[in-house]
Amino acid sequence: GENVEQHPSTLSVQEGDSAVIKCTYSDSASNYFPWYKQELGKRPQLIIDIRSNVGEKKDQRIAVTLNKTAKHFSLHITETQPEDSAVYFCAASSFGGSYIPTFGRGTSLIVHP
Amino acid sequence: KAGVTQTPRYLIKTRGQQVTLSCSPISGHRSVSWYQQTPGQGLQFLFEYFSETQRNKGNFPGRFSGRQFSNSRSEMNVSTLELGDSALYLCASSAGTPGYEQYFGPGTRLTVT
Repeated sequence: GENVEQHPSTLSVQEGDSAVIKCTYSDSASNYFPWYKQELGKRPQLIIDIRSNVGEKKDQRIAVTLNKTAKHFSLHITETQPEDSAVYFCAASSFGGSYIPTFGRGTSLIVHP
Repeated sequence: KAGVTQTPRYLIKTRGQQVTLSCSPISGHRSVSWYQQTPGQGLQFLFEYFSETQRNKGNFPGRFSGRQFSNSRSEMNVSTLELGDSALYLCASSAGTPGYEQYFGPGTRLTVT
């Protein structure tokens, strides 16, 4: 089955810095890669996603890049703000096929004011 | 538009008992997925229902089952509860193909004693 590894497990940055979280996956059939943000005590929220036919996608301060050859994808957050502090999860699945998503273990992002 | 709702929000059960959790998706969404979230194992996929049919299933024992009704509401049942079943159970709904742009509910916190 699919295996997703996420690094780092904890990331501490100063407000205004950039943050990068990386995930690697093992199944070349995976073609859909969402990122979720989960604040303490709250539900996960989809913040950005990318499909395998695209190499990069941006939404304001958030971007995701995908390298299919190396089987890794990354979340980039620029100009971090304290409200960006949360746990971020990546996932890999086969969009449109047998949908069995596999999640990374999460990255706790702490943004210091 | 109302978000995904789950009931109950908190539940305490004893080993050996069974439990039923409920999820109401966003109006118009036909796909409902269930997840188990624990500190040790992270976020794990249980199963997904679409138009009253279970279409995908994760790697959980048969004690975990579910169903979906004609109005897309879904229930999850866990029989013969074990201490290790203590977790946050999340459901998520999506409008189209399963997994695409999922919206999570607040979760049900199950504690097994």
